[in-house]
Amino acid sequence: EVQLLESGGGLVQPGGSLRLSCAASGFTLSDCAMSWVRQAPGKGLEWVSVITTNGDTTYYADSVKGRFTISRDNSENTLYLQMNSLRAEDTAVYYCAKVVGAWYLGYFDNWGQGTLVTVSS
Amino acid sequence: EIVLTQSPATLSLSPGERATLSCRASQSVSNYLVWYQQKPGQAPRLLIYDASNRATGIPARFSGSGSGTDFTLTISSLEPEDFAVYYCQQRSNWPGTFGQGTKVEIK
Repeated sequence: EVQLLESGGGLVQPGGSLRLSCAASGFTLSDCAMSWVRQAPGKGLEWVSVITTNGDTTYYADSVKGRFTISRDNSENTLYLQMNSLRAEDTAVYYCAKVVGAWYLGYFDNWGQGTLVTVSS
Repeated sequence: EIVLTQSPATLSLSPGERATLSCRASQSVSNYLVWYQQKPGQAPRLLIYDASNRATGIPARFSGSGSGTDFTLTISSLEPEDFAVYYCQQRSNWPGTFGQGTKVEIK
């Protein structure tokens, strides 16, 4: 059974940093592109970032470009999202998701339970 | 960026009724349209991919149709567990944008 377990969320001040982790199990992480998708409280879904199987290529939404960095450690079965220069509008539940199809034009067949990031002073 | 517009925003129906949800794209996405279901406090769940293909384990009462710019998700007979928010997503262009969601609520 595929399982994705996010951690690392919490309360952070504007301008601060946070690193999210997603522990993957039940499948071979190195075979799959992976993504982060976020959902602001009471709002819809936003694709934040995607990374290829070996981590050599990444894409970012314009809203986070230059501030967030996606990475992965296939040997540790873990996906990461380093978030810097955080803003109030980054407040959201962040989901890790397994990508199916073309890596930056895929869809998501498995999702983690999400981790809440709150940016507030 | 492709904009997806879902309608209606809220659909009030009774168990056993048919639900018809719409997703319209601002430009053609061919058949690269995906549907998800999300219940309160839960992650989204994949229902339909590439317009009309049911994901593994999804009941046959869920069906998708459409191509180009107009798509429909149909739930043939609502079960109590189907009351949720439904999102469409296009995967034709980066970034893969989502619609704003349709809430199917109990009437």
